[in-house]
Amino acid sequence: AQSVTQLGSHVSVSEGALVLLRCNYSSSVPPYLFWYVQYPNQGLQLLLKYTSAATLVKGINGFEAEFKKSETSFHLTKPSAHMRDAAEYFCAVSDRGSARQLTFGSGTQLTVLP
Amino acid sequence: DVKVTQSSRYLVKRTGEKVFLECVQDMDHENMFWYRQDPGLGLRLIYFSYDVKMKEKGDIPEGYSVSREKKERFSLILESASTNQTSMYLCASSFSQGNYGYTFGSGTRLTVV
Repeated sequence: AQSVTQLGSHVSVSEGALVLLRCNYSSSVPPYLFWYVQYPNQGLQLLLKYTSAATLVKGINGFEAEFKKSETSFHLTKPSAHMRDAAEYFCAVSDRGSARQLTFGSGTQLTVLP
Repeated sequence: DVKVTQSSRYLVKRTGEKVFLECVQDMDHENMFWYRQDPGLGLRLIYFSYDVKMKEKGDIPEGYSVSREKKERFSLILESASTNQTSMYLCASSFSQGNYGYTFGSGTRLTVV
């Protein structure tokens, strides 16, 4: 079964600093990978997804993620944090086969300091 | 704009009441899911459905049931609400192909008093 690990349940960065949220998956076959964002008292919103050959994926709000097969990682980055980026971020994985479910990481709460 | 709509954003119910949480999607998705979200526990899958009238238990089905009579609607039922069911409930839907991911509703914050 797939599993996904998000290192760091809480990450704090200063406004304007680099954002790096870590995600590692366990699979011998590259899966489909997703990042979701959740703002307070809202549902999850898709930020970006990796489903094909392009290993650097650009998403909404200036976020991007790079799929690295050798490291089984799909880390989320943003060059310059904004206050509005403060939210919880979830990494998720889905098998490329017939699996219909996503497996979610435990989430990372991002705090942006003024 | 595609949507998953949850009937209530905030709900307060009394212990022992029967509670219905409704979820409707307009994307013709085959799959629908109910999660609960609690601080420090992440997303926990309660029930899911891959087709009309079909349901399967997730990781924490106790105290819950579901109904899917139509493709677009997936209802979560708390047969007798208890205070430990106070939580944020999230509905999601998806196509059968795994590369699309889920679309989530806005969530229902349920408080049982």
